[in-house]
Amino acid sequence: DTAVSQTPKYLVTQMGNDKSIKCEQNLGHDTMYWYKQDSKKFLKIMFSYNNKELIINETVPNRFSPKSPDKAHLNLHINSLELGDSAVYFCASSPAGPYEQYFGPGTRLTVT
Amino acid sequence: AQSVTQPDIHITVSEGASLELRCNYSYGATPYLFWYVQSPGQGLQLLLKYFSGDTLVQGIKGFEAEFKRSQSSFNLRKPSVHWSDAAEYFCAVGARDSSYKLIFGSGTRLLVRP
Repeated sequence: DTAVSQTPKYLVTQMGNDKSIKCEQNLGHDTMYWYKQDSKKFLKIMFSYNNKELIINETVPNRFSPKSPDKAHLNLHINSLELGDSAVYFCASSPAGPYEQYFGPGTRLTVT
Repeated sequence: AQSVTQPDIHITVSEGASLELRCNYSYGATPYLFWYVQSPGQGLQLLLKYFSGDTLVQGIKGFEAEFKRSQSSFNLRKPSVHWSDAAEYFCAVGARDSSYKLIFGSGTRLLVRP
């Protein structure tokens, strides 16, 4: 049973396209996150949702829009993709509060 | 501002040798501290965490870490490294505000010589 799952695992697309990445967790957690890992392996928080409510929005371009249909799902939609969006995107979840976060396997996005 | 520094980009050790990965943090209060490991092409797995109490914490896979407030450090150790430990290791600080977001260090890549 996968605790935090992401689809797709790989995503190759052209500049200007719009794409979505889906994340689901079956841990019953209230809080979900999106992180971006760049080519140098640096991980940075993008968004956080707590029980479907946006908690963190870290200076991410408006082209990125998270959507949480319910507390088990947090999707990431990206408009007008740019070369610099190429990265690995990780979804994570945790119980509400200062607890460890559980990460998904990542989605490698390549924009050509 | 919160920050995490992992001064070693790469570390190479021989199998069976001991390991210490360094982590220094900057935070206004006692932070929540974590070590995660990332194997190639994989997600991040939690090795151990420190919230409060005993400053020496034990984790999975034989890892331990020690929180030293005076040095703002949270170094990861393992007495005997296995070839399967080769991976990227990330230290992270957890915010004590309502966001609870993780601030990651830049990672240390561990290479294990046979």
